[in-house]
Amino acid sequence: DTGVSQDPRHKITKRGQNVTFRCDPISEHNRLYWYRQTLGQGPEFLTYFQNEAQLEKSRLLSDRFSAERPKGSFSTLEIQRTEQGDSAMYLCATTGPRSSGELFFGEGSRLTVL
Amino acid sequence: AQSVTQLDSQVPVFEEAPVELRCNYSSSVSVYLFWYVQYPNQGLQLLLKYLSGSTLVKGINGFEAEFNKSQTSFHLRKPSVHISDTAEYFCAVRVKQSNQFYFGTGTSLTVIP
Repeated sequence: DTGVSQDPRHKITKRGQNVTFRCDPISEHNRLYWYRQTLGQGPEFLTYFQNEAQLEKSRLLSDRFSAERPKGSFSTLEIQRTEQGDSAMYLCATTGPRSSGELFFGEGSRLTVL
Repeated sequence: AQSVTQLDSQVPVFEEAPVELRCNYSSSVSVYLFWYVQYPNQGLQLLLKYLSGSTLVKGINGFEAEFNKSQTSFHLRKPSVHISDTAEYFCAVRVKQSNQFYFGTGTSLTVIP
């Protein structure tokens, strides 16, 4: 257990529905990242926050995706009008203020879009 | 942007045999290097990391890795694998003074009884 928790662990939805994932980070970690992972691939960067500020977004993050981190604590990743291509594992990871720190990953939220 | 190459997508090895998983990265600047392991339907767990100092780094579960700056490599090794080592292994790079991490596509290690 890394101390990073994600909810839900599994989500099955129909195409066109909206889904939201939540990540609760290690309390003293100020940087929070979202990654997407598909079968046979490594984690692909989506976005990251430093405290409550969203500092960088990948081109993978289409306008159907939005992430928030109110008050610099937990974060949510919402996908609107889901498509079958959104089926993947969504991973949250956090790191502390040290520039050499490693990422601590949650268990992931697996999304299946039917 | 950095790139991380894991040359072997699948590595089958017999139990108690040695294994090496290869990782090369492209960077002309200083980096921190990491190896993560992922078991099915789980997140990634840190195996080991290289920050500075000795180029041979020891991690959990008997794994070790060697940083080679001239070859920009960070290969992972274990002298004797167990069935429980069957998992996906990812190499990752963090450029110093950067908050961005780059991952390889992973190597699937299968230990055969």
